Amino acid sequence: DGGITQSPKYLFRKEGQNVTLSCEQNLNHDAMYWYRQDPGQGLRLIYYSQIVNDFQKGDIAEGYSVSREKKESFPLTVTSAQKNPTAFYLCASSMRASTEAFFGQGTRLTVV
Amino acid sequence: DQQVKQNSPSLSVQEGRISILNCDYTNSMFDYFLWYKKYPAEGPTFLISISSIKDKNEDGRFTVFLNKSAKHLSLHIVPSQPGDSAVYFCAATPGAQKLVFGQGTRLTINP
Repeated sequence: DGGITQSPKYLFRKEGQNVTLSCEQNLNHDAMYWYRQDPGQGLRLIYYSQIVNDFQKGDIAEGYSVSREKKESFPLTVTSAQKNPTAFYLCASSMRASTEAFFGQGTRLTVV
Repeated sequence: DQQVKQNSPSLSVQEGRISILNCDYTNSMFDYFLWYKKYPAEGPTFLISISSIKDKNEDGRFTVFLNKSAKHLSLHIVPSQPGDSAVYFCAATPGAQKLVFGQGTRLTINP
């Protein structure tokens, strides 16, 4: 059945290491998004992609990078330049002409 | 610059009564508004939406009201049930572009 999958659910990394979070969707959606949730801050947009091989920075892109080589996949790399990487990361996708976004289950990243 | 604001971090309502969650926005280019429900450690799930050409949309126990002149929308849940206890996010988008979310309101339904 169709859906959006994030892996892993929990991830631990040492400070200074880059880490890549996976996001795959089989909904045939054109647009994909990465959000970060911190307590009391809601969902903040990191990067989004409206089409393959194209992506735009969101509100808090510094310290992150993405790629969109395939329609189904939108991996997010948290680099060592991100000052506060510990957070709950959410990936979402939507049809190009629709605004309803479907979310994955999230990845909780803890940097120690 | 918080373009979508949910000023109440939490709300407590008696089971069976009405829950009203509020959301304010500042960007007049927003033309589509959505409400999402989120349980801990899970992704948000879509609840209900409204286009800027409407002022009300109803789906079962959930109704969203939009007041464009006040740049305000609200979600009404009636009657409230224990399973409605969750964090609710308001979101808005200008022309099917990126979604901008509010900070969320934690709703607790008391038996």
